[in-house]
Amino acid sequence: ETGVTQSPTHLIKTRGQQVTLRCSSQSGHNTVSWYQQALGQGPQFIFQYYREEENGRGNFPPRFSGLQFPNYSSELNVNALELDDSALYLCASSLIHSGANVLTFGAGSRLTVL
Amino acid sequence: RKEVEQDPGPFNVPEGATVAFNCTYSNSASQSFFWYRQDCRKEPKLLMSVYSSGNEDGRFTAQLNRASQYISLLIRDSKLSDSATYLCVVSLSTGANNLFFGTGTRLTVIP
Repeated sequence: ETGVTQSPTHLIKTRGQQVTLRCSSQSGHNTVSWYQQALGQGPQFIFQYYREEENGRGNFPPRFSGLQFPNYSSELNVNALELDDSALYLCASSLIHSGANVLTFGAGSRLTVL
Repeated sequence: RKEVEQDPGPFNVPEGATVAFNCTYSNSASQSFFWYRQDCRKEPKLLMSVYSSGNEDGRFTAQLNRASQYISLLIRDSKLSDSATYLCVVSLSTGANNLFFGTGTRLTVIP
């Protein structure tokens, strides 16, 4: 059984650029959630994808968007990057309607915006 | 007001000590409660769920007080390997959608 894998692990962008982060869900999971963790803070929910559609969204602006593919993998896209977007972006997979005790996190993509 | 509030610490305790972490949550409709552990520069991992009746897993005991909207974690006989950040997590549902994380409490166990 493979866990959640994310790419890239680290990247540096400049203000105004766009970024795409990728996530492969754990085998057998059908739902992907994305979280943003700024330095010294807890993760904050961005959105969740199920059946290739957004299935819940946190308090993030529309320039944060996502996709889920038929194989349950997912992308997070952020447009018009701002300095405050610098953070660890965590992907977590699960089974829909499961308890959060089956939420499995990937190691994250660390984004630095200069 | 934040959904989940925790004392960020740090807590520095000697090996073998007992240490307790607390957190409060703001939404009385919250249904699911958890403690996650996050090692430095790693992803969060579920430590334990928290049930209304309280529950124990080895050296770890979790308590939930719904009336006070308060969650606690007690670690007995601390080990060096317990050094990590402990995140209090609350959900409005029983599912894995939209977890609210606290800022975490940093624990360092000293030899």
